[in-house]
Amino acid sequence: AQKVTQAQTEISVVEKEDVTLDCVYETRDTTYYLFWYKQPPSGELVFLIRRNSFDEQNEISGRYSWNFQKSTSSFNFTITASQVVDSAVYFCALSEEYSGAGSYQLTFGKGTKLSVIP
Amino acid sequence: KAGVTQTPRYLIKTRGQQVTLSCSPISGHRSVSWYQQTPGQGLQFLFEYFSETQRNKGNFPGRFSGRQFSNSRSEMNVSTLELGDSALYLCASSLVELEEQFFGPGTRLTVL
Repeated sequence: AQKVTQAQTEISVVEKEDVTLDCVYETRDTTYYLFWYKQPPSGELVFLIRRNSFDEQNEISGRYSWNFQKSTSSFNFTITASQVVDSAVYFCALSEEYSGAGSYQLTFGKGTKLSVIP
Repeated sequence: KAGVTQTPRYLIKTRGQQVTLSCSPISGHRSVSWYQQTPGQGLQFLFEYFSETQRNKGNFPGRFSGRQFSNSRSEMNVSTLELGDSALYLCASSLVELEEQFFGPGTRLTVL
């Protein structure tokens, strides 16, 4: 069975600090996808990034960056110069194909609650 | 383009009752997935529908069921409600498999 571990339950940082959210995953699949989602207090999950298992290039999008390391089964997320609006729960997720049916489901980590203090 | 919509946003039911939740995916999206979110278990996959067919189901009892209509709208039903069914139920749609899933705002169900 697949598993996603987000060891950090809660993190608090002061505005403008950098923060890294850790994600470690387990899978037997050779082809898989990793995702990060943000859940603000409103409750709606907001897609941030999708990365397939064959693409280990790091990605940067504005203040967000992601570090994918297959050797350590990690897909970490860094927010540079954090802002109050970044306060949310962040989820890491791993895809899993269901018995070759062409259907995929996401296995989510427990989430990391980030609080950015002004 | 309108996002994923879910109705109702809030529900209060009592044990033993049944409930139906509705999800309208983004126009053109044919895959609809449902997830349950609770403080204890986190986000858990319920089921996925594509072209009116349930292709995949998570580890939930038979009290949880769903369906998808020809316009891709989906409903999920929970019968004989238990206190532990209190949760945020999230619906997500995607154009094709493994494309980014767009989530709706959720339906918060409280079972008393």
